[in-house]
Amino acid sequence: GEDVEQSLFLSVREGDSSVINCTYTDSSSTYLYWYKQEPGAGLQLLTYIFSNMDMKQDQRLTVLLNKKDKHLSLRIADTQTGDSAIYFCAEIENTGGFKTIFGAGTRLFVKA
Amino acid sequence: DGGITQSPKYLFRKEGQNVTLSCEQNLNHDAMYWYRQDPGQGLRLIYYSQIVNDFQKGDIAEGYSVSREKKESFPLTVTSAQKNPTAFYLCASAAANTGELFFGEGSRLTVL
Repeated sequence: GEDVEQSLFLSVREGDSSVINCTYTDSSSTYLYWYKQEPGAGLQLLTYIFSNMDMKQDQRLTVLLNKKDKHLSLRIADTQTGDSAIYFCAEIENTGGFKTIFGAGTRLFVKA
Repeated sequence: DGGITQSPKYLFRKEGQNVTLSCEQNLNHDAMYWYRQDPGQGLRLIYYSQIVNDFQKGDIAEGYSVSREKKESFPLTVTSAQKNPTAFYLCASAAANTGELFFGEGSRLTVL
């Protein structure tokens, strides 16, 4: 099956930029996603990128996609303490039905 | 407001008992999903349904059962055959155009 990998922890100082990296295996994925999870809650979509794009910017968020290396990154500019959460990279696997495959999640700690 | 509603938020069960987790959506989405989340392991797919009266096993379906009699509802039963049922369970539905998943707030099941 398909696999999505990401590092488990990242710690940054408030005001710095955070970069969360992810690698995936399914080159046929049409969309790639970043979800955010607050403690004890469900996930919420932060942003997504089409597979035919290299970059997408949305306010403080920048997503970079390197299709050759199957590498996806999420940059958060001017990181705030409210950004502390778990960030999940995800891709869609199409095997007769659409299934979203998630990485293990990167826990972002923001130090004041 | 449109969204996904899961209940109960917390559930305690004795070993050998079946329990059913409720998931309701009013987003008019065809596809619905159940994920299990354990610390450090991300989300693992239990069952998914692309349309009413049809569902497929995910990666960890053993010990679980589902039904999809109505578009709005996708309940999950955790049976006594599930060896390690203590976990955080997340229900989601998917937007057809982008595949974006909309999650409920989760149900935390603890087996005593």
